Amino acid sequence: KQEVTQIPAALSVPEGENLVLNCSFTDSAIYNLQWFRQDPGKGLTSLLLIQSSQREQTSGRLNASLDKSSGRSTLYIAASQPGDSATYLCAVKTSGSRLTFGEGTQLTVNP
Amino acid sequence: SAVISQKPSRDICQRGTSLTIQCQVDSQVTMMFWYRQQPGQSLTLIATANQGSEATYESGFVIDKFPISRPNLTFSTLTVSNMSPEDSSIYLCSPERAGNTEAFFGQGTRLTVV
Repeated sequence: KQEVTQIPAALSVPEGENLVLNCSFTDSAIYNLQWFRQDPGKGLTSLLLIQSSQREQTSGRLNASLDKSSGRSTLYIAASQPGDSATYLCAVKTSGSRLTFGEGTQLTVNP
Repeated sequence: SAVISQKPSRDICQRGTSLTIQCQVDSQVTMMFWYRQQPGQSLTLIATANQGSEATYESGFVIDKFPISRPNLTFSTLTVSNMSPEDSSIYLCSPERAGNTEAFFGQGTRLTVV
C-alpha cells in the first residue's frame, strides 16, 4: 500500500526567504507526482506535475524535483511572498489512476 | 485543463438528512473520482465512477452511505446519506480524461452537519 509523507507539517518563514517542502513515498512504482496548493476551505489548485520519467519541473518561482528510486520529491519556492501562504499537498498516481495524498505542509509567509 | 463546476460550495445540514453534491465538467471525461477531506486531514478517495457502471468504492465507504450517479460523460453526483456530525468534511470531485494524467479538482463542497 502506497504511503505518502510530507515534512514539515507546518512552516513559518519571513517574506523573501527561499524554502523547500519535502515529500516521500513508499512505493516507487508511480506514474507521476503532482504538487497542489490548497487555500483554507477551498479546493485544490494544481501547481506542478512530474511524470515518472522526469527529474524536475519548473513554473515561475516554483521548482519540483523527483527522485523516483529513492521515493522523494521536493518543492522549492523561491523568494516567498505572503500570498504563498497555503497548505501544499503532494500526491502520487499509481495503478488504476489512484491518487495517494500526503498530509500536507501548512506554509505561512510573514510580511 | 477542464472547467469543473461543483455545487453547492458549502452547506449546513441537519443530522439524519441527505445532501447531493453535483460535479459538472465542460468536456467528456472517462472517470470521476470523489474524495473526502476531513478537518485538518488530507484527501481520502471515496469512490471511482465510470459512466454506465456502478461506482467502485474504497475500503471504509459503502454505496448506501455515499450513492453516486454518473448519467453521462460530463456529470456526476455524490450523495451523503443519513448525515451525522462525523460527515462534516470538504467533498471534492476530480474528473480524469483519457490520456491526460494531470489531476484537477472541483472547488469543493464544505459540508457541516449539526
